[in-house]
Amino acid sequence: AQSVTQLDSQVPVFEEAPVELRCNYSSSVSVYLFWYVQYPNQGLQLLLKYLSGSTLVKGINGFEAEFNKSQTSFHLRKPSVHISDTAEYFCAVSEVKAAGNKLTFGGGTRVLVKP
Amino acid sequence: ETGVTQSPTHLIKTRGQQVTLRCSSQSGHNTVSWYQQALGQGPQFIFQYYREEENGRGNFPPRFSGLQFPNYSSELNVNALELDDSALYLCASSGENRGEQYFGPGTRLTVT
Repeated sequence: AQSVTQLDSQVPVFEEAPVELRCNYSSSVSVYLFWYVQYPNQGLQLLLKYLSGSTLVKGINGFEAEFNKSQTSFHLRKPSVHISDTAEYFCAVSEVKAAGNKLTFGGGTRVLVKP
Repeated sequence: ETGVTQSPTHLIKTRGQQVTLRCSSQSGHNTVSWYQQALGQGPQFIFQYYREEENGRGNFPPRFSGLQFPNYSSELNVNALELDDSALYLCASSGENRGEQYFGPGTRLTVT
């Protein structure tokens, strides 16, 4: 079984400042890693994913994340946030296997960008 | 390319009733997963369907059941609704490269 911990439930940040959202996971097998964003009253949109290869992953809207296997972490960063980045962000993992890929989510981090 | 769609958008039911939620998968995708997202929490995996067969189930009671049709659309059925079933229900579809899932907008279910 896997588990995901998002260490910050809320992150207030000023516009144009950098932001980092922390995610740690636990799993006995190899995993895929994802970050999703959820705007109010909407579904989830994929920001970026790590499946294999380079541990630095670039996603949409200027976000990037780094997979650190030894620390079992997958922190999300953006060098300069906009008001429109105000949303809830979810880190998720799934097992690497042939059939089925249920996602296990963290509890979410609410980002509030202030002018 | 059509994305994942869900219906209805919102639904209000009374405790003890039954509900059916529907999901159309993205074109070319043969796997559908359902998640429950309670207010203020991350989504929780309910079950997954792959080529019309259940392919994994989370920690949900049997009154949560589902179907997948030959066109890979899917239904989630919940019997004997309880107040705690109030949540956003999300459907996600994926293809043969099942590492990535695409989510629909969700159905907001309120049980009174």
